Amino acid sequence: DTGVSQDPRHKITKRGQNVTFRCDPISEHNRLYWYRQTLGQGPEFLTYFQNEAQLEKSRLLSDRFSAERPKGSFSTLEIQRTEQGDSAMYLCASSPGQTSKGYTFGSGTRLTVV
Amino acid sequence: AQTVTQSQPEMSVQEAETVTLSCTYDTSESNYYLFWYKQPPSRQMILVIRQEAYKQQNATENRFSVNFQKAAKSFSLKISDSQLGDTAMYFCAFMKLNTGTASKLTFGTGTRLQVTL
Repeated sequence: DTGVSQDPRHKITKRGQNVTFRCDPISEHNRLYWYRQTLGQGPEFLTYFQNEAQLEKSRLLSDRFSAERPKGSFSTLEIQRTEQGDSAMYLCASSPGQTSKGYTFGSGTRLTVV
Repeated sequence: AQTVTQSQPEMSVQEAETVTLSCTYDTSESNYYLFWYKQPPSRQMILVIRQEAYKQQNATENRFSVNFQKAAKSFSLKISDSQLGDTAMYFCAFMKLNTGTASKLTFGTGTRLQVTL
């Protein structure tokens, strides 16, 4: 069990560029979550996968955002045409079926849009 | 919708002392879970302690314990014998008991705890 891995740790991009983040969950966890955390705030839910199926998306996830989890393993989160308001920490978390025990979070990807 | 409120943006405690972090929440649900997460400067969110709403007994994990008051919708975290390594942001979080769909966490805005010598 190597935990939840996220790559890259930091990303600086120019406004209007596309960016993609990767999350590798704990291998036996079938549930995967993406959250966004802005400065001074707690994380906010973005989207949820059970295996390869994306079962829920937040209103925060605009059309410029897309997430995938092919084959129910790693997941990617892509942001197209980035805006300064997208600057945040993007956290990935995974859990087994019994989510009442809480998630395991990754260290996050900090995105800065300049 | 659920809301979680942490009214203490920052707190400080001396090493070996005890500190209590406050959390209140609002929900119409009767079955849910509550969590405290710790986010050290290294950023990874770590689960500290969890509480099932249907259990009256307060959860404890070594130096960490909670005071869960369901009627008052209050869920405070007590850290005993504070250590320098406890320095971090602490987030209170709520999870609705929900089968078949995402078990989303709703977080408060956090309390920054500084443990000093």
